Amino acid sequence: EAQVTQNPRYLITVTGKKLTVTCSQNMNHEYMSWYRQDPGLGLRQIYYSMNVEVTDKGDVPEGYKVSRKEKRNFPLILESPSPNQTSLYFCASSLRGASFMNTEAFFGQGTRLTVV
Amino acid sequence: DAKTTQPNSMESNEEEPVHLPCNHSTISGTDYIHWYRQLPSQGPEYVIHGLTSNVNNRMASLAIAEDRKSSTLILHRATLRDAAVYYCILRDLYNQGGKLIFGQGTELSVKP
Repeated sequence: EAQVTQNPRYLITVTGKKLTVTCSQNMNHEYMSWYRQDPGLGLRQIYYSMNVEVTDKGDVPEGYKVSRKEKRNFPLILESPSPNQTSLYFCASSLRGASFMNTEAFFGQGTRLTVV
Repeated sequence: DAKTTQPNSMESNEEEPVHLPCNHSTISGTDYIHWYRQLPSQGPEYVIHGLTSNVNNRMASLAIAEDRKSSTLILHRATLRDAAVYYCILRDLYNQGGKLIFGQGTELSVKP
């Protein structure tokens, strides 16, 4: 079954304690991205990756890091989490290439992060 | 970023058709029109997309205006499971690698 898997689904942590949210896809997709969803602000892109070792900032990258060492994995790293990073996070993947815009994106089930 | 405008909310009765409108007057020639929906407590889910012609799939139909400045997502027979937030999105290859720009969406409620 084609899927994007995020872990953990729920996480409560304290300010400043480094954490990683994992994202894995089984569709051999080149393009992966991270979004955060906040009430009233909708879904906003944090970082994206066009392929292995190619990453770039989205609209709200401050306080986050990513890496893309393997095609299937795209972890989101919060080196020093703060309360304003409390949010619902989604990972997404899709194909890229000439027909890139003509394909669908697959989203994970989300990670609800609370930073106290 | 090319923007879309959707009504904040709509209501429908079960087993009746639903027409969800979207305006995108600043659409460019390379923008694909995508629709996603988000059910409660879940990640966004692809519904349908198109460029110029009307499109049909097992979930819905997409009607695109001739000038491409608006589109309508059609659910032919709404079910309770179709209650979700529906997002109309323009996907542009030249904008950050084709990111999906989510607006506020339309919250669809379905009454039995």
